[in-house]
Amino acid sequence: NAGVTQTPKFQVLKTGQSMTLQCAQDMNHNSMYWYRQDPGMGLRLIYYSASEGTTDKGEVPNGYNVSRLNKREFSLRLESAAPSQTSVYFCASTPPGETQYFGPGTRLLVL
Amino acid sequence: GENVEQHPSTLSVQEGDSAVIKCTYSDSASNYFPWYKQELGKRPQLIIDIRSNVGEKKDQRIAVTLNKTAKHFSLHITETQPEDSAVYFCAAGGLDTGRRALTFGSGTRLQVQP
Repeated sequence: NAGVTQTPKFQVLKTGQSMTLQCAQDMNHNSMYWYRQDPGMGLRLIYYSASEGTTDKGEVPNGYNVSRLNKREFSLRLESAAPSQTSVYFCASTPPGETQYFGPGTRLLVL
Repeated sequence: GENVEQHPSTLSVQEGDSAVIKCTYSDSASNYFPWYKQELGKRPQLIIDIRSNVGEKKDQRIAVTLNKTAKHFSLHITETQPEDSAVYFCAAGGLDTGRRALTFGSGTRLQVQP
């Protein structure tokens, strides 16, 4: 099992550009999450998906959209990137009743 | 919603000493309290967790205690080693599928001096 995978590992964008961060898990988990991690801020929840076809906002959803394409994949889209979105983005998935498993992260720099 | 506060933000200890990191939470409905270790440039990794029906849990040099009445929980690392140096995050939440499962503390940077 690859666990939770994320692509790309690193991305540089110019302000106003768009991009999609991809996340996939092969553990048959229902729940998936997107977090951002900024220095000194811990991990903050952007969006989550309890099951295929459902998504809900987290603590910091503004500027982002998500899509739960199927049970395996949960993507995060930045329609018009801003410097404030420079961060490390982590995807995670959870089996029922257990803790979250994190992907390796995507480092995003918005100039 | 849930709010988790973590202290201290940085902690420096001598190798072999103990380290204690404390967290408080606000939502009495939270029933799951994991601790993650994050090394530089890597993903958070679970090191220990505790559920609300247990007051203390140990795993070799690591232990976690939970006081539900006071809404706080702590991570204890004994006989620290240089490889324990990392950022540690506490979290609190519910294990229900579909809830926003975890709210994280802001992290503690632990440095173990050889």
